[in-house]
Amino acid sequence: GAGVSQSPSNKVTEKGKDVELRCDPISGHTALYWYRQSLGQGLEFLIYFQGNSAPDKSGLPSDRFSAERTGGSVSTLTIQRTQQEDSAVYLCASSPGQYGQETQYFGPGTRLLVL
Amino acid sequence: AQSVTQLGSHVSVSEGALVLLRCNYSSSVPPYLFWYVQYPNQGLQLLLKYTSAATLVKGINGFEAEFKKSETSFHLTKPSAHMSDAAEYFCAVSVNTGGFKTIFGAGTRLFVKA
Repeated sequence: GAGVSQSPSNKVTEKGKDVELRCDPISGHTALYWYRQSLGQGLEFLIYFQGNSAPDKSGLPSDRFSAERTGGSVSTLTIQRTQQEDSAVYLCASSPGQYGQETQYFGPGTRLLVL
Repeated sequence: AQSVTQLGSHVSVSEGALVLLRCNYSSSVPPYLFWYVQYPNQGLQLLLKYTSAATLVKGINGFEAEFKKSETSFHLTKPSAHMSDAAEYFCAVSVNTGGFKTIFGAGTRLFVKA
C-alpha cells in the first residue's frame, strides 16, 4: 500500500521567505509527527498530532514554525521568515494510533536549503 | 524528562564481525524503546522495538536488542556484519507524558569494511 509521502522532496529558498512543507500520512493513521534532521544532530521532535486532540507543539523551535492538519489527514508545516539555520531535512511520520508502542512510518523527507 | 544517548556517532566493523551499537536512555516511567535504521537515500524504518514483553527483542535482518532496566540500556547487536548493514541507526524512547512523544538519539553511522 501507499506509504507516507512528502512534498516537495527538495526546496531551495532565500532567507526571509516563507515555505510550506506537505505530508500525506498513511490512510487511516490517526497520529502524525514532524521531525527535523540536521547533520550530526539526529532527529529533533517538532510537533505531534493525534486525532482531534490539541497537537503537542512543544518541539517547535520558534514562533516562526507552525503546523496544521486538515481533516485528520494531510499536514502542512510552515516556516515563516526562513533563516539559514532552518536548513535541514524535515521528516514526517504517521502511526496507526496514539499508543507509545506504535511503530512510526516515515516519509522520505523534504530537504530544505535556505540561502 | 526522557532522553536517549547513543555512544559513538560512527562505528566501523569488518564484514563478518560482531556489530554492537550502544544506547542508554533516561526515563522516570517504563519506556517503550525502538531502533530505527536509515539506509543511504532511504527513509527511516523500524528495526525492532521493546514494548514490555520479552527483554530480548529480535528484529529484521538478524539484529536483536536487549532491554536492561538496571543499566537503562537497549544496545543493538548482530553476530555477523554484512556489507548491506551499512546505514545510520537511531535509538528512540517513547513515554507517556500526557500523550506519547518519541525522543530520538543522535544516531550512529555504521561502516562495514570488506
